[in-house]
Amino acid sequence: GAGVSQSPSNKVTEKGKDVELRCDPISGHTALYWYRQRLGQGLEFLIYFQGNSAPDKSGLPSDRFSAERTGESVSTLTIQRTQQEDSAVYLCASSLRPAGTPQETQYFGPGTRLLVL
Amino acid sequence: GNSVTQMEGPVTLSEEAFLTINCTYTATGYPSLFWYVQYPGEGLQLLLKATKADDKGSNKGFEATYRKETTSFHLEKGSVQVSDSAVYFCALSDLAGGTSYGKLTFGQGTILTVHP
Repeated sequence: GAGVSQSPSNKVTEKGKDVELRCDPISGHTALYWYRQRLGQGLEFLIYFQGNSAPDKSGLPSDRFSAERTGESVSTLTIQRTQQEDSAVYLCASSLRPAGTPQETQYFGPGTRLLVL
Repeated sequence: GNSVTQMEGPVTLSEEAFLTINCTYTATGYPSLFWYVQYPGEGLQLLLKATKADDKGSNKGFEATYRKETTSFHLEKGSVQVSDSAVYFCALSDLAGGTSYGKLTFGQGTILTVHP
């Protein structure tokens, strides 16, 4: 596609439920990132994929959070047993070249706004 | 660790005014620096970037110069327009660390509102 797409655009769930958030990166982009943006705050890094592997998961806040990527394309971020503090906008970004390339630019999707009641 | 500190907002200006949004950083290696912009109802977009000291990034009339001596990357525009109203994020990507993997570290964002 023309850009990074994410679904759903909005998700309202009850505390304790599991949610899955999807990211479709730009075709051919090898690197994929997940970030979280809580209200009034900057973006926090969650996880980085190079291909289907995740060499950096250091930003995942707890073991309730997990992510996978398949076919070097689509990625799914799963939050189990959601808590109210998980409410945020979850953003996905992709880049053409592997991380660490000086000219690497990350292109962001529109985000999924998650509200946990 | 890496960090980015942005001038706190919100910033409110009249059209055609001069804009400066301050950004300073702390990094362990040799970062690339970015300004991203988020227009109302839209996703985050790259505005400009600089990858080494003394580089100047520019786009849409905005400029920022990578100042290693002051660890700064201030965003400037000579004459703002109403359409520039948005949230602006300063960010860095530290390429020298073996485990940084190019992840972006963001500032907290600055809300800019431009009135006619």
